[in-house]
Amino acid sequence: QSALTQPASVSGSPGQSITISCTGTSSDVGGHDYVSWYQQHPGKAPKLMIYDVNKWPSGVSNRFSGSKSGNTASLTISGLQAEDEADYYCCSYAGGRTYVFGTGTKVTVL
Amino acid sequence: QVQLQQWGAGLLKPSETLSLTCAVYGGSFSGYYWNWIRQPPGKGLEWIGEINHSGSTNYNPSLKSRVTISLDTSKNQFSLKLTSVTAADTALYYCARRVEVAALGLWGRGTLVTVSS
Repeated sequence: QSALTQPASVSGSPGQSITISCTGTSSDVGGHDYVSWYQQHPGKAPKLMIYDVNKWPSGVSNRFSGSKSGNTASLTISGLQAEDEADYYCCSYAGGRTYVFGTGTKVTVL
Repeated sequence: QVQLQQWGAGLLKPSETLSLTCAVYGGSFSGYYWNWIRQPPGKGLEWIGEINHSGSTNYNPSLKSRVTISLDTSKNQFSLKLTSVTAADTALYYCARRVEVAALGLWGRGTLVTVSS
């Protein structure tokens, strides 16, 4: 059970859109529609932003959207804002009642 | 408003057993899976395992031989034990509530555990 692969960093200017990828295998990302995304600001606990690939928890902005194609899931942040600067992690069901997180991506707002 | 409050020993020596507890306040204990996740300093998240209100557990295969998650329904608490710790187990440990498959919707504030001789 290896960590899902994410780019180490992604950056964008305010108002732009950015996309973070999360690549796994057919045993995890590709095999199930159970991918979630978390935002983590420094010194804070992670916050659920997307679940079941593309669903929003209550209270989360629809500027955040999720998708999946094959073994790769993606998180898109539209209308990038300064407050979006944080670390982002994907998570997938990996079969056998286990879960695996991604390596994490640092988002910088230029 | 449901809250998770966690506590436990913050400094251990190699080979000792890590022990943490998470209490659920303001909400139902049943109907959910209760999780432990850890994050080494400056690194990413790692799923440790989970337990439901009936005591059914699921563990990360890489940690399964050393991990036990248990619960005390009378106190709305669940606990993590990790045996034979090494420096590699130094991390911020979080408890969390799983609301859907792979969706951890409520997190504790984290407990830093340092393993050092």
